[in-house]
Amino acid sequence: AAGVIQSPRHLIKEKRETATLKCYPIPRHDTVYWYQQGPGQDPQFLISFYEKMQSDKGSIPDRFSAQQFSDYHSELNMSSLELGDSALYFCASSPSGLDRVPYEQYFGPGTRLTVT
Amino acid sequence: AQTVTQSQPEMSVQEAETVTLSCTYDTSESDYYLFWYKQPPSRQMILVIRQEAYKQQNATENRFSVNFQKAAKSFSLKISDSQLGDAAMYFCAYRSLWGTSGSRLTFGEGTQLTVNP
Repeated sequence: AAGVIQSPRHLIKEKRETATLKCYPIPRHDTVYWYQQGPGQDPQFLISFYEKMQSDKGSIPDRFSAQQFSDYHSELNMSSLELGDSALYFCASSPSGLDRVPYEQYFGPGTRLTVT
Repeated sequence: AQTVTQSQPEMSVQEAETVTLSCTYDTSESDYYLFWYKQPPSRQMILVIRQEAYKQQNATENRFSVNFQKAAKSFSLKISDSQLGDAAMYFCAYRSLWGTSGSRLTFGEGTQLTVNP
């Protein structure tokens, strides 16, 4: 079965540089979520999109932006990178439906970002 | 805002034995979902089991079952016949039932499970 695809899997950047993370959801999934997991921490929600519109926003720094495209893939753009941005970034996707139906979020393998 | 607490940073179990991981949460909502995710050394997030708060029956998936106590806001995971492959970090997570389709997951701090041969 098709899974969530994230690219790149590993990324090394220097401070103050820019990074772009990409997420390709499972086919027919129209909702995408981004999470950040720091070393030894639980995943923290950043932002989500439904049908190409931002649907929820968490603790995402102003230096980060994201969008969802017409083919439902999403990109997380991170500028002015700081050492503290080093983390595992997960993308998850889910199909839409009545909110009463418990659609799970299916996670990608993550992108490991290292800022030096 | 909802919070999820896992009070056991680490747990260990002998292979073939049973272990229970604890999770409590705080919410003012009456309907919601609860999940247990497993994160092995590969760091992949794998859904183990889910529970709908409006269902009184505890969810079961093969060797994994939950004890959902809504009034106490408790959601523990029981792993029976533990296997070496169960060794991982386990996260408890909360999701609101109502709202936009982009409802976030709120995770607990995680419990690192070690399975001893």
